[in-house]
This record gives sequence, structure tokens and C-alpha cells, in this order.
Amino acid sequence: GQSLEQPSEVTAVEGAIVQINCTYQTSGFYGLSWYQQHDGGAPTFLSYNALDGLEETGRFSSFLSRSDSYGYLLLQELQMKDSASYFCAVNPYGGATNKLIFGTGTLLAVQP
Amino acid sequence: EPEVTQTPSHQVTQMGQEVILRCVPISNHLYFYWYRQILGQKVEFLVSFYNNEISEKSEIFDDQFSVERPDGSNFTLKIRSTKLEDSAMYFCASSRGQGARGYTFGSGTRLTVV
Repeated sequence: GQSLEQPSEVTAVEGAIVQINCTYQTSGFYGLSWYQQHDGGAPTFLSYNALDGLEETGRFSSFLSRSDSYGYLLLQELQMKDSASYFCAVNPYGGATNKLIFGTGTLLAVQP
Repeated sequence: EPEVTQTPSHQVTQMGQEVILRCVPISNHLYFYWYRQILGQKVEFLVSFYNNEISEKSEIFDDQFSVERPDGSNFTLKIRSTKLEDSAMYFCASSRGQGARGYTFGSGTRLTVV
């Protein structure tokens, strides 16, 4: 099976940089995604790593190391609106379609 | 920007009743999904649907659940004989093809079984 573990909560101050880690045990996957969820609403896509290395999208960057079974999401210049839950997710090999297996989620609290 | 639309936003039902959750995926998407999120927990895959049939389902998706695409636009999840533990947020999602990019979730239906 697959499991993706994340810290349950992270707190940071406005303007700072925060890193949310995702460690996983999976049998193989096409890529690692990151989703943001505000107040239990729709998960929204943030970033995707198909290959090892860093992907940058504005204030958000995501990193993947398959050899270390590890990835992270980096949020820079934190804003109050970044307070939300963040989930890593993989789309595993072997399935018939593009299902996502989600991590345990991290609640980010941004303080003034 | 195209959206996945779900109705109703909140459904309260009595234990043992049947509910139908409705979704309108993005029009040019080919893959449709249902996910569940119990309050405070992670999002869990239920089922995927492609070419008018179920292509994959999880262990959660047992005989109590069924999905249907009754016409060219709607995608429904039926839950029969609801139980208290079915209370959760149910998200519909769609994607145009393989890969996690372009995977769009709806705003969800909060199902409360009493």
C-alpha cells in the first residue's frame, strides 16, 4: 500500500518562509502533487513534481527526492491568506486511472 | 476558469436513507472521481469513472455505493442505507487525462447522517 506522512501542524509568521515535508512509503508513482485546502473546501492544485528536483511557481516551490522518499512544499513571503491545510498526494503506478493518494495533511497557521 | 459544480452543498439525512450527490464535471474532461474526507482527516479516493464505466474503486467503495453518468453532463454518487460513519465531505473531481495537472475538485457536499 501507500502512506504519506506530514506534520500535523506548522506555525509561521507573515513574511517568513515555511517548509512542509512529506515522507512516503509507496510502491511507485508518476508524480508528487501538492494541494491547498481552505476551511474544508475544494482542494486546489498548487504544484507537481514528476522528476526529482525543484519546481517553482511564484511564491510556492516543491521538491522531490525519490531516492530519499521525501518531498516538500516551500512557501515564501507568507501571507495571512496562506493559512490553510496542505496535502501532498501521489498518483501511483498500477492503477487503472489517475487516482490520487493523499497525505495526512498539514494545517498551516500564519500569524501576524 | 472552468469549475466542477456539486449539489447540494450540505445534505442531512436519517440513518438508513438513500442519498444522491450530484456533480457536473468540467465539460471537456474525460475522467471523473469521487473522494471522501471525514472531518479532520485526509482526503480518500473512492472511485474513478472513465468511458461510462467504473475504472477503479477503493476498498471503501462497497455495494453501498454506486455511481452513474445519467446524461452528458452529470455524474452522481448514490449512497444506500446510510450509516452514521458515512458523515463526511464528499468531493467530486475531474481531469482531462493522465497526470495530476488539470485535476480539478468541486467544492464538496457535506453529508451529515443523523
